[in-house]
Amino acid sequence: GENVEQHPSTLSVQEGDSAVIKCTYSDSASNYFPWYKQELGKRPQLIIDIRSNVGEKKDQRIAVTLNKTAKHFSLHITETQPEDSAVYFCAARKAAGNKLTFGGGTRVLVKP
Amino acid sequence: DAGITQSPRHKVTETGTPVTLRCHQTENHRYMYWYRQDPGHGLRLIHYSYGVKDTDKGEVSDGYSVSRSKTEDFLLTLESATSSQTSVYFCAISQWASDEQYFGPGTRLTVT
Repeated sequence: GENVEQHPSTLSVQEGDSAVIKCTYSDSASNYFPWYKQELGKRPQLIIDIRSNVGEKKDQRIAVTLNKTAKHFSLHITETQPEDSAVYFCAARKAAGNKLTFGGGTRVLVKP
Repeated sequence: DAGITQSPRHKVTETGTPVTLRCHQTENHRYMYWYRQDPGHGLRLIHYSYGVKDTDKGEVSDGYSVSRSKTEDFLLTLESATSSQTSVYFCAISQWASDEQYFGPGTRLTVT
């Protein structure tokens, strides 16, 4: 089955700096890669996703890049703010499938 | 937030007792999922449903069963709870297999 690895497990950044989280996946048939943000005690919420026909997608201060050849994708957060502090999860799903496989999560702390 | 509720929100039970968690949606979405969340493991799929009375296993289904007798309700049962099933359980829904998954608020289960 699919295996998704996520690094780093924790990330501390100064407010205003950028944060980058990387994920690798094992199944070349995967073609959908969402990112979820989970604040303390809350439910995971989708913040951005990318499909395999696109190499990069941006939404304001967040962007996701995908390298299908290398089977990895990354989340980039620019100009970090204290409200970006949360746990972020990447995931992968195969075409014509409905099962998401999640990475282990990255705890991001933005220091004022 | 999508119209998803979970009950109970917190439960403490003893080893060997049966436990049923409920997920209720008001969105009329076809797909429903049960995940467990443990530190370092992200979210792992337990079971999912693709319609009334249609269910299938996820990656960590041992010790769990599910039922879906109505579109809006998806039940997760631990027939005989064990300490290894102490976790936070999230329900999720999606309209189609390829759609975004929306998560419920979660249930924290402690098995003593």
